Amino acid sequence: DAGITQSPRYKITETGRQVTLMCHQTWSHSYMFWYRQDLGHGLRLIYYSAAADITDKGEVPDGYVVSRSKTENFPLTLESATRSQTSVYFCASRDPGMWEQFFGPGTRLTVL
Amino acid sequence: ELKVEQNPLFLSMQEGKNYTIYCNYSTTSDRLYWYRQDPGKSLESLFVLLSNGAVKQEGRLMASLDTKARLSTLHITAAVHDLSATYFCAVVYGGATNKLIFGTGTLLAVQP
Repeated sequence: DAGITQSPRYKITETGRQVTLMCHQTWSHSYMFWYRQDLGHGLRLIYYSAAADITDKGEVPDGYVVSRSKTENFPLTLESATRSQTSVYFCASRDPGMWEQFFGPGTRLTVL
Repeated sequence: ELKVEQNPLFLSMQEGKNYTIYCNYSTTSDRLYWYRQDPGKSLESLFVLLSNGAVKQEGRLMASLDTKARLSTLHITAAVHDLSATYFCAVVYGGATNKLIFGTGTLLAVQP
């Protein structure tokens, strides 16, 4: 499918487990972003990547790890999930020559 | 630290009425986005405002940007039920990376 996809779309896990959320885009955009959305906070940037093998922290990086070995993929890993990480996670991408940032469909994560 | 405030947080309005959503931000930025989000869905880009004095219109929505006042407005003209959604503004920081700081969102409910 063309565009930006996320998997899984829904995930329930337990405290302490490792979880990886996947993000895949078909446009070869160099910039990719991970946000979390919580009531009362809007969206907050977790990590971003300017290109393959280049990543950096956003506003709320603690408890998360990212990697980007290929331009099209940007996985987000919760190494030891906590209840406070229950949220909706959105991946986004952007071409450096364009201003618009495109968002994926989101992953709803529940940590019990 | 860049902060973005939207008001109101919730807006209930009747069809046919006009109203304005305000987005204030705390430090210098010359680019601002408006997004729409329907319940359970991803973010849909509405407007990208790229300079002081920028004004963009699409249907019943018009957005403007005043970088000197650090203020953007989203004006709704003759509201219809289909405009019911949550609206977010997002301010750019971080130079070429185009990282975004989001407001908390305005939940708009248009009543028949």
